[in-house]
Amino acid sequence: DTEVTQTPKHLVMGMTNKKSLKCEQHMGHRAMYWYKQKAKKPPELMFVYSYEKLSINESVPSRFSPECPNSSLLNLHLHALQPEDSALYLCASSPDSGRGDTQYFGPGTRLTVL
Amino acid sequence: AQSVAQPEDQVNVAEGNPLTVKCTYSVSGNPYLFWYVQYPNRGLQFLLKYITGDNLVKGSYGFEAEFNKSQTSFHLKKPSALVSDSALYFCAVRDPNTGGFKTIFGAGTRLFVKA
Repeated sequence: DTEVTQTPKHLVMGMTNKKSLKCEQHMGHRAMYWYKQKAKKPPELMFVYSYEKLSINESVPSRFSPECPNSSLLNLHLHALQPEDSALYLCASSPDSGRGDTQYFGPGTRLTVL
Repeated sequence: AQSVAQPEDQVNVAEGNPLTVKCTYSVSGNPYLFWYVQYPNRGLQFLLKYITGDNLVKGSYGFEAEFNKSQTSFHLKKPSALVSDSALYFCAVRDPNTGGFKTIFGAGTRLFVKA
């Protein structure tokens, strides 16, 4: 299994809602990532987990809260988002955090904040 | 600072013709370089990478890339383009200053292959 899955595919939420994005991989990878991507732009790194511990937080606003319950799962909890947070949210995983390790991306969750 | 540049926003090529998507980099130490492709409303798909060894790297879907250290380039190539190759292409490098945790992406190049 060389796939990263993400649910839901689409999400529409109001600014007062609380929702969660989910990401799952069964490749035995120990590093997992959240990216935000605006249209026609490269992905922007948000968070990195390595061996289930948060390794990098790219100064992301606290309305985004990551969670790594186990080595296969990665969640992104959303609360009180702003319309400018509307984007494609990508999850990725890699065997480890080594520089030569390939990142495998999920299909993304298209988030719209009203 | 580490950086990746893709000088062309868009590349247009006729089906059956060779294609090149350009990438140059500025990285301290040995660069670990990647190419990804993204189709509309999809995640990024890995095409190929250069770690060490042979400067010509072969990847998925008939793509290849040539690592040129003196020109600090890693251009993506394909001998014969297909309409289905039309997509957004990203060159990337793992940032050595973060132990590889961070990936630095180029701005992306949109490839249009005309039938």
